[in-house]
Amino acid sequence: QVQLVQSGAEVKKPGASVKVSCKASEHTFSGHYLHWVRQAPGRGLESMGWINVNSGDTRYAEQFQGRVSMTRDTSISTAYMELTSLRSDDTAVYYCAKGFMTNYFDPWGQGTLVTVSS
Amino acid sequence: EIVLTQSPATLSLSPGERATLSCRASQSVSVFLAWYQLKPGQAPRLLIYDTSNRATGIPARFSGTGSGTDFTLTISSLEPEDFAVYYCQQRSKFPLTFGGGTKVEI
Repeated sequence: QVQLVQSGAEVKKPGASVKVSCKASEHTFSGHYLHWVRQAPGRGLESMGWINVNSGDTRYAEQFQGRVSMTRDTSISTAYMELTSLRSDDTAVYYCAKGFMTNYFDPWGQGTLVTVSS
Repeated sequence: EIVLTQSPATLSLSPGERATLSCRASQSVSVFLAWYQLKPGQAPRLLIYDTSNRATGIPARFSGTGSGTDFTLTISSLEPEDFAVYYCQQRSKFPLTFGGGTKVEI
């Protein structure tokens, strides 16, 4: 079973950028879709988009277009999600998750808390 | 975008009782619906995919039914570890969307 380990918590100022990493525990990283999902405090889950780790193709949810970038480095089985122009309402736990049957999520990383505060 | 509405928002039950959670879609998602369990400080866990298929390692007390726009997650007899928040999610159309969640509490 692939396990996903994410980078640690971040504190950022409004207008800054954050880059969260997600490392797969095995070399089965290739051949899968890697999704990013976030959960703001007291809110539900929100899909941000995905990256095809083989081709590098991406698809982003409309509300993040222009602010999000998903990349990967297959040599180290690691995916990245960068979010720019951070606002206070970007404060959330950000999860990576492997695509199961492409567009379900299993397994998930442990989550990375990103706090945006002046 | 497909909106998923979960009900009730909170379900107050005791161990051993049956839990019935509902998820209604704003348009048909066929059978392309999943359920997840979230506990504080833990990674979310996939329970059910494509309406009724249990994910690997999920106990048989969890079951899913439905099609089109109306779906149900049933926990036949609640164990102490089942008290959590449950979300439905559709993969029928992009953007992938989640419901607002149902909290199952003691």
